Amino acid sequence: DAGVTQSPTHLIKTRGQHVTLRCSPISGHKSVSWYQQVLGQGPQFIFQYYEKEERGRGNFPDRFSARQFPNYSSELNVNALLLGDSALYLCASSVRQGPYEQYFGPGTRLTVT
Amino acid sequence: GIQVEQSPPDLILQEGANSTLRCNFSDSVNNLQWFHQNPWGQLINLFYIPSGTKQNGRLSATTVATERYSLLYISSSQTTDSGVYFCAGGGSNYKLTFGKGTLLTVNP
Repeated sequence: DAGVTQSPTHLIKTRGQHVTLRCSPISGHKSVSWYQQVLGQGPQFIFQYYEKEERGRGNFPDRFSARQFPNYSSELNVNALLLGDSALYLCASSVRQGPYEQYFGPGTRLTVT
Repeated sequence: GIQVEQSPPDLILQEGANSTLRCNFSDSVNNLQWFHQNPWGQLINLFYIPSGTKQNGRLSATTVATERYSLLYISSSQTTDSGVYFCAGGGSNYKLTFGKGTLLTVNP
């Protein structure tokens, strides 16, 4: 079975630009979560979506938004990029919302110059 | 929210040695996972272990939920075990809170 997939793999953007990252969950998984990992730190929770609704949000500014589609894939959008947004963005899927095992994709490495 | 503390932050071993990584959490968790992050950033699931003991080959893990800690044991370490090990805990909500990780280096 295919695991969680993310695109693109790498991305370079300029300050002030907008970026969209994409994630496809494992088949049969209905919950998708997004995490940001900066160098030297553990991943930090950004959002969780379940059945196309936002079910949780971490401590991130409104420049970060996301959505989930009917096929359970998801997009993470970041507006007005800052240098500090440079990070590895990880997507995770689980069978359903709540404390269930999460499986992570390979990530998108975003560099903001 | 839940705080997760991992120790040690760094660990250097010779191939063949055994090691124990520890994860303490500040509150009760319903979800406890151990991951190995490879050099390309992929988080590999090692264990989903909110309580009890599990083993998978040379790796095993134990979570004592009542005392709010989990241990990851690596026996007969190999160079391919090198990398960052994370534990992450979740309450009754929707998110995992990660520790800062343990950087393991296994030398030949």
